[in-house]
Amino acid sequence: SQTIHQWPATLVQPVGSPLSLECTVEGTSNPNLYWYRQAAGRGLQLLFYSVGIGQISSEVPQNLSASRPQDRQFILSSKKLLLSDSGFYLCAWSEKNRDFGELFFGEGSRLTVL
Amino acid sequence: GQNIDQPTEMTATEGAIVQINCTYQTSGFNGLFWYQQHAGEAPTFLSYNVLDGLEEKGRFSSFLSRSKGYSYLLLKELQMKDSASYLCAVMDSNYQLIWGAGTKLIIKP
Repeated sequence: SQTIHQWPATLVQPVGSPLSLECTVEGTSNPNLYWYRQAAGRGLQLLFYSVGIGQISSEVPQNLSASRPQDRQFILSSKKLLLSDSGFYLCAWSEKNRDFGELFFGEGSRLTVL
Repeated sequence: GQNIDQPTEMTATEGAIVQINCTYQTSGFNGLFWYQQHAGEAPTFLSYNVLDGLEEKGRFSSFLSRSKGYSYLLLKELQMKDSASYLCAVMDSNYQLIWGAGTKLIIKP
């Protein structure tokens, strides 16, 4: 069966510090991968998605970046965090070539920037 | 612009029935999803509608009217574990998901 895991689950970082969130998927190959941010009282915001190794599409211009160094690994990074980067970050995957794109989410990473 | 509207919060009684509405205005339509999200956890898939009508899955049912831009999620025989946020999302013409802010459902004994 397929599983998705992301870490760390919780982190508190000072403004201006770097960030690295990692996500891995097991049990499937060549998945579509996504990074979302969820702010309180707002819908999920798509940050990045990837259809393959090294292929990243950015939906929102900001100080975050994403990379996909391996087929089932997706990394969200920042060189210098802002206060506004605080939120709940979710990694997700979906299968290609399905009738509909059901998303499977990781456990989430709660980031607090102070 | 694209917009998904759903109530912010609803309260219901254990054992009862509750209907959570979702209205949408999007650039094209390729299906509507409902997800359940318990506090502090990731969303999990509940249902998918692409054609008009009612889809039933156990205690949960989801309805879609494309002409009205409207969907609802119906939860029957409510249990305390149903206390969660329910997210409505629409896939637009570019196959991108547009998400509502979610409806927090509170179940009282």
